[in-house]
Amino acid sequence: DIQMTQSPSTLSASVGDRVTITCRASQSISSWLAWYQQKPGKAPKLLIYKASSLESGVPSRFSGSGSGTEFTLTISSLQPDDFATYYCQQYNSFWTFGQGTKVEIK
Amino acid sequence: QVQLVQSGAEVKKPGASVKVSCKASGYTFTSYGISWVRQAPGQGLEWMGWISAYNGNTNYAQKLQGRVTMTTDTSTSTAYMELRSLRSDDTAVYYCARVTAMVPFGYWGQGTLVTVSS
Repeated sequence: DIQMTQSPSTLSASVGDRVTITCRASQSISSWLAWYQQKPGKAPKLLIYKASSLESGVPSRFSGSGSGTEFTLTISSLQPDDFATYYCQQYNSFWTFGQGTKVEIK
Repeated sequence: QVQLVQSGAEVKKPGASVKVSCKASGYTFTSYGISWVRQAPGQGLEWMGWISAYNGNTNYAQKLQGRVTMTTDTSTSTAYMELRSLRSDDTAVYYCARVTAMVPFGYWGQGTLVTVSS
């Protein structure tokens, strides 16, 4: 099974900050990586697929990069609506989620 | 518009079974797969398995093999997830999500809380 490891687990940031979350795969997954945002009590929302493709309707301050085993999600200027938990997910071989990164208010 | 509407919350005793439904609308049901994901209270997302709505092929997470069955009813565009021999650590919100090869989990159901308690 492919394991996904996110870092950090928690991130404290302020509105306007540039935020970067890292996701590492236990083996190469090419670019088969997605990022999701989840708010309390809600279903996850797809932000990025194929490592760097922005899902329709997602603000352009979100971007993804990477390939192989190392990936990043960047929020260029953190907005109040962005405080949430973010998950990476590989879909090279079935599907596996990372453990999540909570972005909280500093 | 694409919608996945799940059945309501359930309370079950240990050892019982639960069957959660996921009714799809707004797209051709048999053109996509459905995955099921669960989230225990305060925990992360756990992929449970996948079913092709086209031919009924399934893949289940290894830890749930033997306890979970996923099915579809193409006449009603509904997917089902049955989990048997429930334990307290099966208490979670269960989600269905539409799957494609290129764009995973683009649409999600609203979630169904399953509580396992004696």
